[in-house]
Amino acid sequence: DGGITQSPKYLFRKEGQNVTLSCEQNLNHDAMYWYRQDPGQGLRLIYYSQIVNDFQKGDIAEGYSVSREKKESFPLTVTSAQKNPTAFYLCASSDETGVSMTQYFGPGTRLLVL
Amino acid sequence: QKEVEQNSGPLSVPEGAIASLNCTYSDRGSQSFFWYRQYSGKSPELIMFIYSNGDKEDGRFTAQLNKASQYVSLLIRDSQPSDSATYLCAAPTDSWGKLQFGAGTQVVVTP
Repeated sequence: DGGITQSPKYLFRKEGQNVTLSCEQNLNHDAMYWYRQDPGQGLRLIYYSQIVNDFQKGDIAEGYSVSREKKESFPLTVTSAQKNPTAFYLCASSDETGVSMTQYFGPGTRLLVL
Repeated sequence: QKEVEQNSGPLSVPEGAIASLNCTYSDRGSQSFFWYRQYSGKSPELIMFIYSNGDKEDGRFTAQLNKASQYVSLLIRDSQPSDSATYLCAAPTDSWGKLQFGAGTQVVVTP
């Protein structure tokens, strides 16, 4: 089965704690993305990566970090510097650039603060 | 900041009727657009991609693009309760795959 997996489905963070969200894809896609979605709002780009060992900040990168050591994996760390981390986090991937850069999404991780 | 704007709704549509959703964008250079459907608590799924001016049909869905007026619309014919969801419009912001999403329009199909 080809697709994008995210884990865990729910994640609870304590004050001052760093947490890591997993994103894995077996679609052989080059590009991967992390978005944050708050209730009633659209998706905001946190980080994206077009190739292994390279990634770029999106619109709301502060308080987050990523790595791209393997083509299949793009984990997101929510650091203690992110003061309002409660949100729905979505990982996406695409294998095209230019006009038809369709992004496909994983099932998401819901992060809650204790 | 390139913007993509949608009416948040909710758009209430009787079952069997046509739902009409609109999306406007600020970047005249935008060449292509995506419509995603997102059920409550779930991730977005692609339902339509449109590149050329005019209409593109896929089943009960029709996307319409008017580059001169900078809007793209989505029509859902014969609306079903299963079409109740939030519909997100998105446009590329560069040539490297970044998308700018609108806030989404919530559609509620009433039996």
